[in-house]
Order: sequence, then C-alpha cells, then structure tokens
Amino acid sequence: AAGVIQSPRHLIKEKRETATLKCYPIPRHDTVYWYQQGPGQDPQFLISFYEKMQSDKGSIPDRFSAQQFSDYHSELNMSSLELGDSALYFCASSSGPSSGNTIYFGEGSWLTVV
Amino acid sequence: AQSVAQPEDQVNVAEGNPLTVKCTYSVSGNPYLFWYVQYPNRGLQFLLKYITGDNLVKGSYGFEAEFNKSQTSFHLKKPSALVSDSALYFCAVRDGSGTYKYIFGTGTRLKVLA
Repeated sequence: AAGVIQSPRHLIKEKRETATLKCYPIPRHDTVYWYQQGPGQDPQFLISFYEKMQSDKGSIPDRFSAQQFSDYHSELNMSSLELGDSALYFCASSSGPSSGNTIYFGEGSWLTVV
Repeated sequence: AQSVAQPEDQVNVAEGNPLTVKCTYSVSGNPYLFWYVQYPNRGLQFLLKYITGDNLVKGSYGFEAEFNKSQTSFHLKKPSALVSDSALYFCAVRDGSGTYKYIFGTGTRLKVLA
C-alpha cells in the first residue's frame, strides 16, 4: 500500500541557510501533519493542514512556514536555520481530521544544521 | 488538555517472555488512544488503536493493548517477546479539537534480550 512519502531523506545545511522539506500524503488523504523529533525526544507537533488550509498550529518557530498545495502535498520551509533545528522531521497524513482516524507517518527527513 | 504518560524510559525483557509497556492517559471526553513503534532512524509505525468497544485491542505483529477506564491506562502487551521487537514505543492520545493531532508520550525503549 502507498505510504507517506517525504523528501529529501537527509540534508545538511549551514546556519542561517534555508531548507525545504516535501511531503506527499497517502492518496485520498486530505489532512497533513508536521512533527519535529529531536534526538531522544518524542515527536512535537508543528502544524497541520486540512483541505489545503492551515487547521492547527503547535510549536512551530516563526522562521518556519508551511503550506498544502492543490494536489495535497505539503512543504515545510525553514529559514535562518539554527543548530537547534537539527532533528528528524516527520510528515503524517490522515483521511480527514476525525478523532478516530489513524494518522500515518512518513519515514522522516533528517536535517542536520552545521 | 489531553496528555499521556509513559512512566518507564526503558523496559528489558527476555526473549519468549511476555512484555508490557505502560501508558496512562488524561483526557477530557472520550479517549482515542494509539500505539506506535519506531525502529532506529525510521518513521513511526502504527500498531493499534482504541476508539470504542472491546477493552482488549489487537494490533500488528502480535501486539495487543488493554484499555482500562478506571485506571486510565492503555498498556501495550505481547505474550512472547522477540528480539526484533526491540524498538522505541510511543503511546499517543488524539487531541480533542482542531485536526485532532496526536499528543505523544515520551516513549519507552524496549530491549528484548536473547
């Protein structure tokens, strides 16, 4: 079965640079979530979209922005990168925001800021 | 606010023995509870969920979880552990509003010893 696709899987950036992560949800899933997982940490919610509109916002820095496009894929843009942004970034998707629906995660994008 | 707690950072169990990974929750309203497993450098894989119905939920890879309303617990169990079960396990509760994002516990590292 098709899963959530994230790209790139790994990237290395220098401080103050910009990075963009892409996410392709499971077909027919209309809700996308972004999470950040630091080393040894639990995933922290950043932001989510439902039907191409931002639906919820968590601990996303102002330096980050995201959007969901007409084909439901999503991009997370990170600017003025800091060393502390180094983490595993997960995208996840679900079929609608209903509380009973399972959220499926991608394999993650490893960002290293040097 | 919804929250989950995983009181054990690590659980060690001998191969072939039963395993239990603990999770307690605090929610307002009906609880929607999930278990995920994360292997090193991988994404979060869905194991099982409790929405309603039977308190004993069966999931992937022989795992099951018991929902206990009076103790507000949702412990993950497996009758006979395998070395390949060694991984990081996250309990999650669905937020009761917005896009119903997950709130994760801090994770429990399971180590199955041969």
